[in-house]
Formats: sequence, structure tokens, C-alpha cells
Amino acid sequence: GAVVSQHPSRVICKSGTSVKIECRSLDFQATTMFWYRQFPKQSLMLMATSNEGSKATYEQGVEKDKFLINHASLTLSTLTVTSAHPEDSSFYICSARIGPYNSPLHFGNGTRLTVT
Amino acid sequence: AQSVTQLDSQVPVFEEAPVELRCNYSSSVSVYLFWYVQYPNQGLQLLLKYLSGSTLVKGINGFEAEFNKSQTSFHLRKPSVHISDTAEYFCAVSEANQAGTALIFGKGTTLSVSS
Repeated sequence: GAVVSQHPSRVICKSGTSVKIECRSLDFQATTMFWYRQFPKQSLMLMATSNEGSKATYEQGVEKDKFLINHASLTLSTLTVTSAHPEDSSFYICSARIGPYNSPLHFGNGTRLTVT
Repeated sequence: AQSVTQLDSQVPVFEEAPVELRCNYSSSVSVYLFWYVQYPNQGLQLLLKYLSGSTLVKGINGFEAEFNKSQTSFHLRKPSVHISDTAEYFCAVSEANQAGTALIFGKGTTLSVSS
């Protein structure tokens, strides 16, 4: 069964509004979670590393004020897309590791965001 | 920093034929290597991983991959594909022995299996 749960799976919002995406680790604690973005027919681009109890680490070119990440507990990380615009429409996927650093990442089922 | 190159963006193949999806990586340090599969509008599912040891690794759904350090490759193979193998396949790399590291993905290969 799924070990990383992501919600919602699909969201449509109007331009200028904010959207929150949740990523939960099921039955394990994740001190670190990773947020990826995927454009149609393209690869996954790492957006940020979410660290429980501290600030997220953003990749170069990712606006931290636009993509707010909060990792307030060991089982929940949230990504909030603030003041969304059509160009933010994309597939957002979170992931986490069960176990040590040589464990593979487990991925949520993704959130399809459409900004109209 | 690491990078991954998947040499084929699309691979069409007939059912029951063998297939190879190619992946090359670049890194100045030791790495872990992974193959994931993605079905439409879904997250990624791990097919197999190479951490150390035997260079031939077997994964789920009959897939296997071989790590070749001298050629910096990690090609994915299946001797006989099914229609249900039609999906997007991603090769990924992470730095070995480092906590908290993300995966870096290749651009993906679309495998299309037809009858």
C-alpha cells in the first residue's frame, strides 16, 4: 500500500488565489521530505527539501516566497502555492525515505494543479 | 553534482519483444542508482535500485538493470514486455553515503508496447 499520501490529487483554482498541498508519511516518520515539480512530458525537477522543524532548502530558481513549505511534524509537509498564476499549473509530487540514506524515495501520487 | 542522461525519449516495441532503456550518469563521487516507473497522472513506483555489490540488479515486474562503472551506465532491460509495461520510465541518481539527499532524475523514456 501507499506509504506517502498526497492530497488533493487534483485542484483547480483561480489566478491570484493560494493552494495548499499536503504530503503525509504513513506509518513512518520523515524528518526530510522532497518536493518535485513535473511539467507535461518532462522529468521531475527538485523544488525543495523540506526539513522537519526548520526552514526548507530551495533549489536554485525556485521562489521561496511563492512556494511556501512547512514541515511542522514528522509526518506532514505542506506546499502552498501563493498567488497562483497559470504558469504555476503543473504536477507536484512529494517524496520521503523510509529508513536510512541509502533507502529509495517513496512518492505520493501527485497533485495536478490547474490555475485558470 | 550529479546528472542523468536517458538516451531515448521514446521506445516503441511489440509485445513479447525484449527491451532496453538506456541511462548514463555523471558524478564525481560514488552514487546510488534507481529506476522508477510512472503511469499517467500518478506518482512514481520503484522498479529497482543499485546501492553496492552485484552489478546486476533485479527488480519488480521482470525488469533488471546492470551497473557499469567504467561506462557510467545503468541500463534497464526486460526480456519480454507486456502491454501493461507501457509507461514512463525514469532513471535517477543520488550521492552515496549522504543523508538527506534527493534524487536527480533523467528526462524519462516513454515505453510504448503494442500488439
